[in-house]
Amino acid sequence: EVQLVQSGAEVKKPGESLKISCKTSGYKFGSRWIAWVRQMPGKGLEWMGVIYPGDSDTKYSPSFQGQVTISADKSSNTVYLQWNSLKTSDSAMYYCARPLGGWFGIDLWGQGTMVTVSS
Amino acid sequence: DVQLTQSPSFVSAFVGDRVTITCRTSQVIHSYLAWYQQKPGKAPSLLIYAASTLQPGVPSRFSGSGTGTEFTLTISSLQPEDFATYYCQQLYNYPTPLPFGGGTKVEIK
Repeated sequence: EVQLVQSGAEVKKPGESLKISCKTSGYKFGSRWIAWVRQMPGKGLEWMGVIYPGDSDTKYSPSFQGQVTISADKSSNTVYLQWNSLKTSDSAMYYCARPLGGWFGIDLWGQGTMVTVSS
Repeated sequence: DVQLTQSPSFVSAFVGDRVTITCRTSQVIHSYLAWYQQKPGKAPSLLIYAASTLQPGVPSRFSGSGTGTEFTLTISSLQPEDFATYYCQQLYNYPTPLPFGGGTKVEIK
């Protein structure tokens, strides 16, 4: 079955680091870009950036450049989203997603990882 | 970057009503637009791609139209399971950035 399975909810304190994961299965890892999308509580969907796991080419939206790191591990077919120093404003649901390319949209989403940052 | 303006941001409607949501883009994107449905606590789900092509399994009461800079999502007869938030997304700049519209919440009247 083609799927993206994300790691579980996290509760962290400001200043702490965090790495959440998105494990892919059912298709050739590295053949499709994987995106991360943020959804703050009660708000809309924000495009954070993408990675091409085949060569780890990574592109960030300006709002997220320098704030997070997207990476991939070909040995485990997993994509990661990482923070070095969390802020309370990082509290949100984070989705990984697979855009198909061209005008085909995102056909595959992870179930989401809720990140709560609170002192 | 292409900006998307979705309207209205909120719709209150009865079961059986026809609902139309509009998405306008700041640049011409031809038919590179998708629509998603998101229910509370769930990931978004693809409804329509290429502006007007229904994703397999999506009921035919959903339809999309438009090209260039103005697009619409229409639900011809609203059903109880359609109460959700809907987002448009431009796909012209694949792989990135692919921003979303601000969303339209469809609620029961």
